[in-house]
Amino acid sequence: AQSVTQLGSHVSVSEGALVLLRCNYSSSVPPYLFWYVQYPNQGLQLLLKYTTGATLVKGINGFEAEFKKSETSFHLTKPSAHMSDAAEYFCAANTNAGKSTFGDGTTLTVKP
Amino acid sequence: NAGVTQTPKFQVLKTGQSMTLQCAQDMNHEYMSWYRQDPGMGLRLIHYSVGAGITDQGEVPNGYNVSRSTTEDFPLRLLSAAPSQTSVYFCASSYWTSGEYNEQFFGPGTRLTVL
Repeated sequence: AQSVTQLGSHVSVSEGALVLLRCNYSSSVPPYLFWYVQYPNQGLQLLLKYTTGATLVKGINGFEAEFKKSETSFHLTKPSAHMSDAAEYFCAANTNAGKSTFGDGTTLTVKP
Repeated sequence: NAGVTQTPKFQVLKTGQSMTLQCAQDMNHEYMSWYRQDPGMGLRLIHYSVGAGITDQGEVPNGYNVSRSTTEDFPLRLLSAAPSQTSVYFCASSYWTSGEYNEQFFGPGTRLTVL
């Protein structure tokens, strides 16, 4: 069965610093991969999605993710954190029938 | 488009009561799903549907029922509420195009407390 692992349930960075949130998936066949963001008391919103054949995927709000098949990873980065980036981030994989398997989430804190 | 709508936003139940969480989407998506979100556990799939009249179980289906009589609606029924079902419930819809599964579109959630 497909599983998604997010390393680090909490990440704290200073404003302006690099953001790196890690995601690994388990499969020999790359699934459909996504990053979502959840602000307090809201539903999840799509940040970006993996496109077949791409290695670097750009999303909204300056986020991007690098797909590495050899490492089964899809890590999320942003060069310079902003206070408004504080939220919970979820990595997810779809394998069939529109079902998603989610990681446990990473809470990003941005310090002034 | 309203997207994915869920009602109610908040609900408090007593143990043993039953209720239905409503979900509707106006995007003509074929796939719909119900997830529950608990602290530190991400989102776990309860039930999903690949089209009207077709449903299947997800990771944590016990205590929940679904049906899908139309493309738009996908209600989730709690048969006999238990404190372990205290959670935030999200409905989502998705679609298939150009040989790829696409992202989930989420509703705003229902916060359920079972006493």
